[in-house]
Amino acid sequence: KQEVTQIPAALSVPEGENLVLNCSFTDSAIYNLQWFRQDPGKGLTSLLLIQSSQREQTSGRLNASLDKSSGRSTLYIAASQPGDSATYLCAVAITQGGSEKLVFGKGTKLTVNP
Amino acid sequence: DTEVTQTPKHLVMGMTNKKSLKCEQHMGHRAMYWYKQKAKKPPELMFVYSYEKLSINESVPSRFSPECPNSSLLNLHLHALQPEDSALYLCASSLRQAFQPQHFGDGTRLSIL
Repeated sequence: KQEVTQIPAALSVPEGENLVLNCSFTDSAIYNLQWFRQDPGKGLTSLLLIQSSQREQTSGRLNASLDKSSGRSTLYIAASQPGDSATYLCAVAITQGGSEKLVFGKGTKLTVNP
Repeated sequence: DTEVTQTPKHLVMGMTNKKSLKCEQHMGHRAMYWYKQKAKKPPELMFVYSYEKLSINESVPSRFSPECPNSSLLNLHLHALQPEDSALYLCASSLRQAFQPQHFGDGTRLSIL
């Protein structure tokens, strides 16, 4: 059974710091990995999607890497801002019974202090 | 603003009530999803519709009944819910059910009295 773990569960940093969020998964048979952001009481906003054949994706200050063989992904946030404060979730896409589903980690709650 | 619209934003209902949650998207996506999210937990998949047909039911109790009347609309009918069903219910859509990025709505916050 696929399990996704995110470390740390919570992180507090001063504004301007570069930071890394970690995600690991137990089964390397994934089709892609997606990083989401969730603000309190809101839905999920997709940040980056890395296909299983890719090693990294970049969007602005965000860079996500994927090492499928070791079952790891990292989300790098450069020059953090208070507006980056949110919970960050990673999810892997797998097949189950011939259909696709996402398996989520529990998330990392990020607080960026002004 | 999200491109997946969910209504209502909040819903309070008694255990004997019947209510429905609604989800709408106009992005031409042909896969739509219902998730349940409890506080401080990740979303849990409930149902997946692909081309208006139910393709995944994650052993959800029958008091939750999904419906996909057309490619833009997804409903979740609720009946005789339990207090433990209180949660944030999220709808998502993707271009196809083939490992495409999922786009989420802001959810309906459901409270069962």
